Amino acid sequence: ETGVTQSPTHLIKTRGQQVTLRCSSQSGHNTVSWYQQALGQGPQFIFQYYREEENGRGNFPPRFSGLQFPNYSSELNVNALELDDSALYLCASSTGTDSTEQYFGPGTRLTVT
Amino acid sequence: GQQLNQSPQSMFIQEGEDVSMNCTSSSIFNTWLWYKQDPGEGPVLLIALYKAGELTSNGRLTAQFGITRKDSFLNISASIPSDVGIYFCAYSGAGSYQLTFGKGTKLSVIP
Repeated sequence: ETGVTQSPTHLIKTRGQQVTLRCSSQSGHNTVSWYQQALGQGPQFIFQYYREEENGRGNFPPRFSGLQFPNYSSELNVNALELDDSALYLCASSTGTDSTEQYFGPGTRLTVT
Repeated sequence: GQQLNQSPQSMFIQEGEDVSMNCTSSSIFNTWLWYKQDPGEGPVLLIALYKAGELTSNGRLTAQFGITRKDSFLNISASIPSDVGIYFCAYSGAGSYQLTFGKGTKLSVIP
């Protein structure tokens, strides 16, 4: 039990639609990172937010965006969904930008049809 | 980021057996991490390694940071059914905020 929760658990969307995924970090964790995990692959870094500002981004297009709120919650937004966006989306929280101390949530399974 | 090569991709073992898996890269890293992911869960950090040659244990798990800094090994002794899952190696670059994961080794334990 990491204390990191994500919602919803599962989601089905149609190509072209927009989606918002939510994450609630451990209290006191001011850093949240988002990862995309395709079937049979390891997680891939999307971006990180530190104190409500984007602190770094992986190789993902601008239609992937995020928000972090003062109450330790955060969102991942994806616009213009594509079939390849189907994946497990994981958030991970930590007390700083030290990536070895990241605690992952259970993920949201997104299916794009 | 640099690609990590994990092997084997999957393995089936009898309960009680020892397990060994490894991760290699063409680049030198400062930190090696080993995670386990159970079905329906996010990855859980098992062991973190910070310097070449380091050997670290966590219960029945032992991991080593290779001397060349391009590889790492994870061993599980006396496997039990709850060891089932996917094991990922990952690296963290110097001063980096992101983790780069391998493709994982899927472990199945036959009772």
